[in-house]
Amino acid sequence: TQLLEQSPQFLSIQEGENLTVYCNSSSVFSSLQWYRQEPGEGPVLLVTVVTGGEVKKLKRLTFQFGDARKDSSLHITAAQPGDTGLYLCAGEARAQKLVFGQGTRLTINP
Amino acid sequence: DSGVTQTPKHLITATGQRVTLRCSPRSGDLSVYWYQQSLDQGLQFLIQYYNGEERAKGNILERFSAQQFPDLHSELNLSSLELGDSALYFCASTRGIHGTEAFFGQGTRLTVV
Repeated sequence: TQLLEQSPQFLSIQEGENLTVYCNSSSVFSSLQWYRQEPGEGPVLLVTVVTGGEVKKLKRLTFQFGDARKDSSLHITAAQPGDTGLYLCAGEARAQKLVFGQGTRLTINP
Repeated sequence: DSGVTQTPKHLITATGQRVTLRCSPRSGDLSVYWYQQSLDQGLQFLIQYYNGEERAKGNILERFSAQQFPDLHSELNLSSLELGDSALYFCASTRGIHGTEAFFGQGTRLTVV
């Protein structure tokens, strides 16, 4: 079973601080994606990383795919209350299954 | 708007009953995935269909079944419902067979009483 483990599971910080969340696996994934989910809504795709070592930026969010394609990180600079949500990483497993980590619940306090 | 439509948005039913959840994928998407999300949990993969055929199965209970129709919409059937089946059920679609860049519907909140 290809599992994705996210850490931390919960994170509460003040507005303006920086943070990093991690997504780790013992397995290699052909691609990893990050989603954000707000209460009562479906997850929304933020980014897909495909190449080992790849770095993608989306405004204040920086996503990195590990060189071995087993892990990924999401770094948020100068967090804002609007960044609050559940952040999920997902990887394409064998047999075309798209599997998700358990998520990091992020709260940014004004 | 993701382009993925799920109905109904809310469903309340009694234990032992059977319900059907419906999903219309984004225009042009051939793959449909079903996920279950319990309170404060991640998304548990149930099943994937591609162009009408089952492609992958996750931890889907035998009481649950799904299918994808020629017009590519999909239905998830849940039978002999138990209290523990109460959850959000999401459908996602992708363009091709691979699970990249999935677009999610808003989910169906199922409450079993």
